[in-house]
Amino acid sequence: DAGVTQSPTHLIKTRGQQVTLRCSPKSGHDTVSWYQQALGQGPQFIFQYYEEEERQRGNFPDRFSGHQFPNYSSELNVNALLLGDSALYLCASSLTARLRYEQYFGPGTRLTVT
Amino acid sequence: DAKTTQPTSMDCAEGRAANLPCNHSTISGNEYVYWYRQIHSQGPQYIIHGLKNNETNEMASLIITEDRKSSTLILPHATLRDTAVYYCIVRVATEEAAGNKLTFGGGTRVLVKP
Repeated sequence: DAGVTQSPTHLIKTRGQQVTLRCSPKSGHDTVSWYQQALGQGPQFIFQYYEEEERQRGNFPDRFSGHQFPNYSSELNVNALLLGDSALYLCASSLTARLRYEQYFGPGTRLTVT
Repeated sequence: DAKTTQPTSMDCAEGRAANLPCNHSTISGNEYVYWYRQIHSQGPQYIIHGLKNNETNEMASLIITEDRKSSTLILPHATLRDTAVYYCIVRVATEEAAGNKLTFGGGTRVLVKP
């Protein structure tokens, strides 16, 4: 049973650039959430996708956007990168349709903005 | 979601039970207690959750007080691999609130010593 997978593992970008991170949910899961984790802090919720729509959003600017595909995989896009966007980006999946809300996390993508 | 309070850090001996406390005095009747842990450089891992009854699975036991204002996560026989940051999270888990995010606090940094 494949768990949550994320790509790439590491990424280095320059200020002002754009980045796309990818997530494949755990097999059978239909909901994907994205979190940002700065060094030494707990993960912070960015947004959640279910049925290809953004269902809930945290306190993040519009530079952060996402998408969910019919196969439930998801992308996180960040435009106009800032140094403060350097963090571990975590994807979590869950099974909303069966009322199972425990979220399973991937290993994350480490983004460094220089 | 209700706020939780956890000790910043704690040590425990390998092979002994580790008891991790969490206070959630403002918890509402429809809010569950979830526990996650994050081993260094990995994504958070779901451990267990409960509403008001004590719960046990292959990883841990969750003891919730009768007034539900606090809980304790018990790792019955701690191993060195249990060294991690443990997060106690309170959240609603109903179909209507299926999109609810996980709000992570600072967690408890647990160090299992030989």
